[in-house]
Amino acid sequence: DAGVTQSPTHLIKTRGQQVTLRCSPISGHKSVSWYQQVLGQGPQFIFQYYEKEERGRGNFPDRFSARQFPNYSSELNVNALLLGDSALYLCASSLVAGGGPYNEQFFGPGTRLTVL
Amino acid sequence: DQQVKQNSPSLSVQEGRISILNCDYTNSMFDYFLWYKKYPAEGPTFLISISSIKDKNEDGRFTVFLNKSAKHLSLHIVPSQPGDSAVYFCAASRLTGGGADGLTFGKGTHLIIQP
Repeated sequence: DAGVTQSPTHLIKTRGQQVTLRCSPISGHKSVSWYQQVLGQGPQFIFQYYEKEERGRGNFPDRFSARQFPNYSSELNVNALLLGDSALYLCASSLVAGGGPYNEQFFGPGTRLTVL
Repeated sequence: DQQVKQNSPSLSVQEGRISILNCDYTNSMFDYFLWYKKYPAEGPTFLISISSIKDKNEDGRFTVFLNKSAKHLSLHIVPSQPGDSAVYFCAASRLTGGGADGLTFGKGTHLIIQP
């Protein structure tokens, strides 16, 4: 069974540009969450989507947006990139929204974004 | 303002001995806690979790202890094996809030198992 997949693996952009990251959840999982991991820190929650609707949002500016498609895959968009947006972007999938026993989040390998 | 703290950036343990990783939290609304393990170039992998109604959960070589009054949890690995060398993240969530605010992670502890 395939796990969570993310594309691209690596990405280099310049300040002010826009970027789109993609995520495919585990088959049967309907919820996708996005996290940003800056070097030396733990992952920080950005969004949670379930059944194409945003269910939760972390403390990130409006430059960050996301959506979920009918097949439960998801895209994360970041506009007007800043140097500080350089990070590993992780996607996690779970059966349903929220968390808890038997609904743990499974992470993909991440997309490494470098902003120059 | 870090709500989940892992104060040891690294920990070195001999193979076969017990590894104890610690985590403290400040938000009393957290009611579900998890440990994830991360190898380089991979995403975090779920290891074990505990609900706030329990004080211990065990799964094979891994045991998590929760002390709610101290807002402290720990992960015990017995016996430690070379494949356990990785970064371990402590994470917390609010299930009573629907879990929609995601997981709050600590900065991680790099566990090194010495042969």
